[in-house]
Formats: sequence, C-alpha cells, structure tokens
Amino acid sequence: NAGVMQNPRHLVRRRGQEARLRCSPMKGHSHVYWYRQLPEEGLKFMVYLQKENIIDESGMPKERFSAEFPKEGPSILRIQQVVRGDSAAYFCASSTGQGGNTIYFGEGSWLTVV
Amino acid sequence: AQTVTQSQPEMSVQEAETVTLSCTYDTSESDYYLFWYKQPPSRQMILVIRQEAYKQQNATENRFSVNFQKAAKSFSLKISDSQLGDAAMYFCAYRSAFNNAGNMLTFGGGTRLMVKP
Repeated sequence: NAGVMQNPRHLVRRRGQEARLRCSPMKGHSHVYWYRQLPEEGLKFMVYLQKENIIDESGMPKERFSAEFPKEGPSILRIQQVVRGDSAAYFCASSTGQGGNTIYFGEGSWLTVV
Repeated sequence: AQTVTQSQPEMSVQEAETVTLSCTYDTSESDYYLFWYKQPPSRQMILVIRQEAYKQQNATENRFSVNFQKAAKSFSLKISDSQLGDAAMYFCAYRSAFNNAGNMLTFGGGTRLMVKP
C-alpha cells in the first residue's frame, strides 16, 4: 500500500513563474491537507480538501495560491507568480476521515524560487 | 483557536539515556487528539505516537511514551534508551475530535533533539 506520493520532490522556479505541486493520497483516503514549512519553522496548515470540495482554506494566502482535489487525479497546489518568500517545503497529507483518523504525510516538495 | 507550544528549541541526550520533550497546548475543547511527529534530516514527517484525550492511560510505543496531563494541558514525550537514529526534529500536534471544528493538525514550533554517542 503506497504512502502519500508527492511530486516533484524538488522544484526550482524563477520569480514570476508558476509552481504546481501534486499529491496522490494513500489508497482509500479521500481527505487531503496541504502544509507549508518555512526554514527552521514548524508546519503551518494551508488547506483541507475532500474530493471536488475545499473544506477549509483558512491557512491559504489570499492571493496567488490555489488548491484543488478533482474527482479523478491528484490534488494540486498551485502558486502563481512565485516570489522568493514562497521558497519552502510543501507537505501533503491524507486521511480516511475526521477526528481520530491518523493523518499520514508525504515526503514533501521543496520549492526554491530564484 | 488552538495553540501548541514547545518551549525547548533544542535538547541533547547521551546515547542510551532518557530524554523528555515538553509540549503544552491551549484549547477549550474537551475531546481531541495529540500527536508527536518526528522529522529526521530526510525531512519526512513520521508519526511517533498518538494519544486520545478521553483516555487516561498514557500511550506507549516501544521506547517512546507520553505523559499526558489533561488538566495541565501538557503532553510530553519520553524517549528511553536513546539511539543515534532518534536525532531529529520533534513536533507536537493537536487535532480536534469535533467534525465541525476543522480537521487540521496544529503543530508546535518543534524541538531539535541531538543524540551524543
């Protein structure tokens, strides 16, 4: 049973370009979460999605960031017009549902903006 | 909103010794879950141990155990017989048990654990 799969693992973008990060949840998981980790900091919640629905996006920056989890295919975190401050590790996680269901993390995608 | 605080930015322990990492949290909820995650140099987030708030018994996983003090809102992690492979960042995390209270994990700032040979 494959774990949470994220790609690319490393992504370099120039300022002003777009970054797309993909996440395939664990088999049987329909809940996906995105977290961001800045250097030397903890993980900060960005967005929580179920299939075709954004449930909670309270941690998403208001501009340039968007996320989706379509009926078919992986979840996508999209960052438009990247700036140097977007350089971070972006972690995807998944679970079967709410409450006590354990959340499993992917290995992260490292975005570097040059 | 819930907050999680880890007051120890760094800790060190001698190999084979025991170390305790501190975590406190603030919540008005009565039912929730607490977790410790380990992040080694590979940066992957690995679940170490979890505790249900309604359970009085402290969770244990091999060399890892917790001291859960609900009234004090404290959730410390004890690592016994420390090994070099335990060196990592450790994050304490909180998750509500209520479906309408958001489903995300709230993390503390982390504690870097160094293990000396």
